[in-house]
Amino acid sequence: GESVGLHLPTLSVQEGDNSIINCAYSNSASDYFIWYKQESGKGPQFIIDIRSNMDKRQGQRVTVLLNKTVKHLSLQIAATQPGDSAVYFCAENIDGGGNKLTFGTGTQLKVEL
Amino acid sequence: DTAVSQTPKYLVTQMGNDKSIKCEQNLGHDTMYWYKQDSKKFLKIMFSYNNKELIINETVPNRFSPKSPDKAHLNLHINSLELGDSAVYFCASRENVGKGQETQYFGPGTRLLVL
Repeated sequence: GESVGLHLPTLSVQEGDNSIINCAYSNSASDYFIWYKQESGKGPQFIIDIRSNMDKRQGQRVTVLLNKTVKHLSLQIAATQPGDSAVYFCAENIDGGGNKLTFGTGTQLKVEL
Repeated sequence: DTAVSQTPKYLVTQMGNDKSIKCEQNLGHDTMYWYKQDSKKFLKIMFSYNNKELIINETVPNRFSPKSPDKAHLNLHINSLELGDSAVYFCASRENVGKGQETQYFGPGTRLLVL
């Protein structure tokens, strides 16, 4: 399943399928991007990050893709599990000095059994 | 072994009251933040301190006053609470302001409800 982030705030996928969560960022000068997962009642939890000099980075079951030409970031989750159900946020480092993250709207991922 | 902790977890209070929420991190980080998350889950930065010095102060009413007694603690005091202050407030910390250390680690949040 795939979402366009800001326009489709909820993404429903079947357990075992791959999920793609998209994010459009705002500042072409941003040089660092990060994905967070927020489960219900908890604080955002770091998943994976990527610098602007890369276009792809892989973690355990997750991959982040960065397309600077169109200012687009995506998070791919392989073999989605029920524990992946959460709100996912992208964030960009927008001030160049590395101190301030600006968060996107968030996408709710629902994993159906 | 909690990395970033906040107290209280829940806070219910009347309009016009003054309240404080506290944050502590045991990660040895130099930089701490306060964020506000509204009912639509939008996360917005409010303040940031680096080594007890205020470095980010977003457009926040001056009823909100952060205070950092040391680099491991960042508290948030709110005067004359209003209904619109109801939200979840998150504390976060980060190793330092330098490049290569941008990842922020969040606390569990304080759920504030103003009646």
